[in-house]
Amino acid sequence: EVQLVESGGGLVKPGGSLRLSCAASGFTFSSYSMNWVRQAPGKGLEWVSSISSSSSYIYYADSVKGRFTISRDNAKNSLYLQMNSLRAEDTAVYYCPCTIGNWFDPWGQGTLVTVSS
Amino acid sequence: QSALTQPASVSGSPGQSITISCTGTSSDVGGYNYVSWYQQHTGKAPKLMIYEVSNRPSGVSNRFSGSKSGNTASLTISGLQAEDEADYYCSSYTSSSTPWVFGGGTKLTVL
Repeated sequence: EVQLVESGGGLVKPGGSLRLSCAASGFTFSSYSMNWVRQAPGKGLEWVSSISSSSSYIYYADSVKGRFTISRDNAKNSLYLQMNSLRAEDTAVYYCPCTIGNWFDPWGQGTLVTVSS
Repeated sequence: QSALTQPASVSGSPGQSITISCTGTSSDVGGYNYVSWYQQHTGKAPKLMIYEVSNRPSGVSNRFSGSKSGNTASLTISGLQAEDEADYYCSSYTSSSTPWVFGGGTKLTVL
């Protein structure tokens, strides 16, 4: 069964840091691009970052560029998002969908990040 | 990168058909056949419903269909059922510096 499990969310103060993880199973993780997509409470989906299968290509949304770093470890079937200088507006559920072709599938259940003092 | 434009809400009665639009530009929706649609029930993760404009993944009901004309993509749900009540999001590949963009989402209410 294809599965993505996000972890690492929690409560952090403004200006703080957090590292999210995404554990993949049931498919050849090293063959596919991966992404982080977030959803603020009561709001829509927002693409955050993408990384190609071999980490050769990395992209960030303007809203997180310079603060967030995406990475992956294909040997561990894992994706990461290092989030620094966190702001209140980064509060959201963070998902790590795979990019198969030109669409996002599957999606995990997400991990909640709350930035508040 | 601006979000794709979707109506905030649509509604329909059981058995009816509804269409949700997703308007972008020639740099995204109009320029590529890489539009996808996602269904999200309250408190749940998004689920892929349509990919590459009009293709249905295995397991998705054939009541869901997608199309595109110019810079606007559409998701049509026929034979509305109570279980279709959810939020729907479109997404497209874009030629801008950031490769993906989502629509703002549409809340579907089944009356």
